[in-house]
Amino acid sequence: QSALTQPPSASGSAGQSVTISCTGTSSDIGGYNFVSWYQHHPGKAPKLLIYEVFKRPSGVPDRFSGSKSGNTASLTVSGLQAEDEADYFCSSYAGINDFENVFGTGTKVTVL
Amino acid sequence: QVQLAESGGGVVQPGRSLRLSCAASGFTFSSYVMHWVRQAPGKGLEWVAVIWFDGSNKNYADSVKGRFSVSRDNSRNTLYLQMDSLRADDTAVYYCATLGAGHSFSWWGQGTLVTVSS
Repeated sequence: QSALTQPPSASGSAGQSVTISCTGTSSDIGGYNFVSWYQHHPGKAPKLLIYEVFKRPSGVPDRFSGSKSGNTASLTVSGLQAEDEADYFCSSYAGINDFENVFGTGTKVTVL
Repeated sequence: QVQLAESGGGVVQPGRSLRLSCAASGFTFSSYVMHWVRQAPGKGLEWVAVIWFDGSNKNYADSVKGRFSVSRDNSRNTLYLQMDSLRADDTAVYYCATLGAGHSFSWWGQGTLVTVSS
């Protein structure tokens, strides 16, 4: 199963928005509404931001939003803050084995 | 609060074995399906293995099948990953994570680094 494709980097000024894409195939993103997004500050535990394409766990600010169209999912971070500077990666259920997921290549977000 | 703490990483020679542990606290460990996920240096994440609540079912990525074995001890709130016949391409940070809603990974540990090198 191939990795999902994300841009290596994205940036925006504080207060602006940035959108990260995650492109897969009809066997993963396009086939299921089981896309999730994670924020990872190096050296720390990754944090779940979005699950089932657009749902936010309790405690995640509504500045983080998710969507999907066809084989591509997107994460938008609105009102960028300094602490949003981190690596972001997507994941999708791939339906190969029970609970096997495929991950994105990761995007480094820089807050200018 | 929820905590997952991996341990057991280190430098090991090719062909040798290593066992990773993941100590869980702050939630009912026995109620969660658990995953291992890894990230090689400069690479993206790769799903490694999953184990059911009671250990009755397990699945592995093709890249580790036959060499790695996942297990758990619900009485000790601990997840394990036994890694045998290690290869250089197994070098990575290994994370444990809980299965969440919609096939997500709801909680993660900080990871433990495994370096396979002669």
